[in-house]
Amino acid sequence: SQQGEEDPQALSIQEGENATMNCSYKTSINNLQWYRQNSGRGLVHLILIRSNEREKHSGRLRVTLDTSKKSSSLLITASRAADTASYFCATHSGNTPLVFGKGTRLSVIA
Amino acid sequence: GAGVSQSPRYKVAKRGQDVALRCDPISGHVSLFWYQQALGQGPEFLTYFQNEAQLDKSGLPSDRFFAERPEGSVSTLKIQRTQQEDSAVYLCASRMDSTKETQYFGPGTRLLVL
Repeated sequence: SQQGEEDPQALSIQEGENATMNCSYKTSINNLQWYRQNSGRGLVHLILIRSNEREKHSGRLRVTLDTSKKSSSLLITASRAADTASYFCATHSGNTPLVFGKGTRLSVIA
Repeated sequence: GAGVSQSPRYKVAKRGQDVALRCDPISGHVSLFWYQQALGQGPEFLTYFQNEAQLDKSGLPSDRFFAERPEGSVSTLKIQRTQQEDSAVYLCASRMDSTKETQYFGPGTRLLVL
């Protein structure tokens, strides 16, 4: 079963624009992680935010976490064609395995 | 490179065949995970090893699925009597140890059962 649910399912933007993806989840968590997956490849870990953190930055990535709403957002600023990929949120609770959402497919058009 | 590798990258099997998928984790990584990713979906957890011990196999969909890591490094996921619904990408990930939170994924094995 998949806990996280990303929205939108698909997003198409022009190069240079910002892309925002949202993730909602159901149970309390220790941390939430975002991964990127290029077509036909494995997942690449982007950023982790702990349950006691509200915002985190890494390069052009900004992640927010609202535990009261059980939601997170991933913002990619000044997008590039190379950012075209699927983005997944994954939640970690206690000793349970990572639970991934269904992903957002981002297309950045040059 | 020093990343997680998986083989084969692609596997076509006839329904009823047995398949074996291999994962070479990052050297020295204690934790190893297997996931199944159906088309258009996120990865779903199958099983977890810490060294050679299989600590969690709650995600294995049936007793046709079996995983092992006998020497605590390379792991094999075996699927017996494959069925069409087993068609998916099988991802392996490793993690330095249980105190670290980041998992490093291999490229996956794409299995197609005809």
